[in-house]
Amino acid sequence: DAGVIQSPRHEVTEMGQEVTLRCKPISGHDYLFWYRQTMMRGLELLIYFNNNVPIDDSGMPEDRFSAKMPNASFSTLKIQPSEPRDSAVYFCASSAGLAGLSHYNEQFFGPGTRLTVL
Amino acid sequence: KQEVTQIPAALSVPEGENLVLNCSFTDSAIYNLQWFRQDPGKGLTSLLLIQSSQREQTSGRLNASLDKSSGRSTLYIAASQPGDSATYLCAVRPNDYKLSFGAGTTVTVRA
Repeated sequence: DAGVIQSPRHEVTEMGQEVTLRCKPISGHDYLFWYRQTMMRGLELLIYFNNNVPIDDSGMPEDRFSAKMPNASFSTLKIQPSEPRDSAVYFCASSAGLAGLSHYNEQFFGPGTRLTVL
Repeated sequence: KQEVTQIPAALSVPEGENLVLNCSFTDSAIYNLQWFRQDPGKGLTSLLLIQSSQREQTSGRLNASLDKSSGRSTLYIAASQPGDSATYLCAVRPNDYKLSFGAGTTVTVRA
């Protein structure tokens, strides 16, 4: 398997623009997570899905952030409008939540999207 | 709220020395604990996952122990190599899926 795939790898945008980050989880994984990493706050969980359904979005910083998972192989994280304080590395991760599977419950991370909002 | 602490924040050792990285957490009601490695500008690579019922896990030169009652885990890396230079993060998972991460220990192995 190719692992978790994220695009774009780098995004530079201007304040006020809409940003869409994309993620393809590992095939067969039923959990998908979006994290944000900054020097000040470290790694923070934003939202996670189980079987394409959002389970906990309490980490989403404000209404400007939204996430969707229309099917088992694709998720998006959207920021509209973007602000300079949104600059960070955004990671997507996936895991298999079914007992008995290889690497059960282990979270696998994508390479991240480095977002810079000017 | 779960607090995860990793000490030291940075460590520099000569090649060949064994590495000992510490992770402590405040709430012992965890489901599992996972150790990750992060190289500069890269994503996180999963190293080891220890279920709450386990005491340790081993993979090659890596060994991780878990003492849930005292809220501690230790990652041992035997015979360190320059390629082991990276930031090592521990993360604990309660009964839901929300990982709480430590700030990491940045390791430099000098050739």
